[in-house]
Amino acid sequence: GQQLNQSPQSMFIQEGEDVSMNCTSSSIFNTWLWYKQDPGEGPVLLIALYKAGELTSNGRLTAQFGITRKDSFLNISASIPSDVGIYFCAGPSTTSGTYKYIFGTGTRLKVLA
Amino acid sequence: SQTIHQWPATLVQPVGSPLSLECTVEGTSNPNLYWYRQAAGRGLQLLFYSVGIGQISSEVPQNLSASRPQDRQFILSSKKLLLSDSGFYLCAWTRGSGNTIYFGEGSWLTVV
Repeated sequence: GQQLNQSPQSMFIQEGEDVSMNCTSSSIFNTWLWYKQDPGEGPVLLIALYKAGELTSNGRLTAQFGITRKDSFLNISASIPSDVGIYFCAGPSTTSGTYKYIFGTGTRLKVLA
Repeated sequence: SQTIHQWPATLVQPVGSPLSLECTVEGTSNPNLYWYRQAAGRGLQLLFYSVGIGQISSEVPQNLSASRPQDRQFILSSKKLLLSDSGFYLCAWTRGSGNTIYFGEGSWLTVV
């Protein structure tokens, strides 16, 4: 079945640094979704991308839908301590039925003050 | 706007006891509803999804069941909990023809 590979798996950064993470697949996706999950809470949608090549920002976050439709990246500028958490990419499956979503394994971000 | 709420947030249950987790969505009609489980430090495992009242699809054979008695209500149940049922359970929804999934706050279940 479809899979989403996220990298890096985890990262430690200094407060104020920019962060970049990406998500790749061997198959195409028609939508890319990025979520942040804080410990003990449900994932919160950060950015949704619906069109190949689309570049969308949400405050300090920027995400892009890759032209090949097989990848997406998420950038966080000027990180702050509250950016700590796990970031997931996801998308509705294009091979397993319209109701199923595929999730990446997550990038765990830790910010050092 | 649409909201999703699930409860209880935390539950500690003995082995062999029943389980009922509830989820409701407000502000939309005929949503697709989902139950996921997330083991500690791991990804999301789809347990059940529903495209309408009384329509339940099971993804993983297990000790759990789901029901959708009303359009915007989704319930996760078990008659007898196992230790392996411990985990973080997430309810989620999408619009009927939508391509974006939204999650509830999550429910921590510890079976002791």
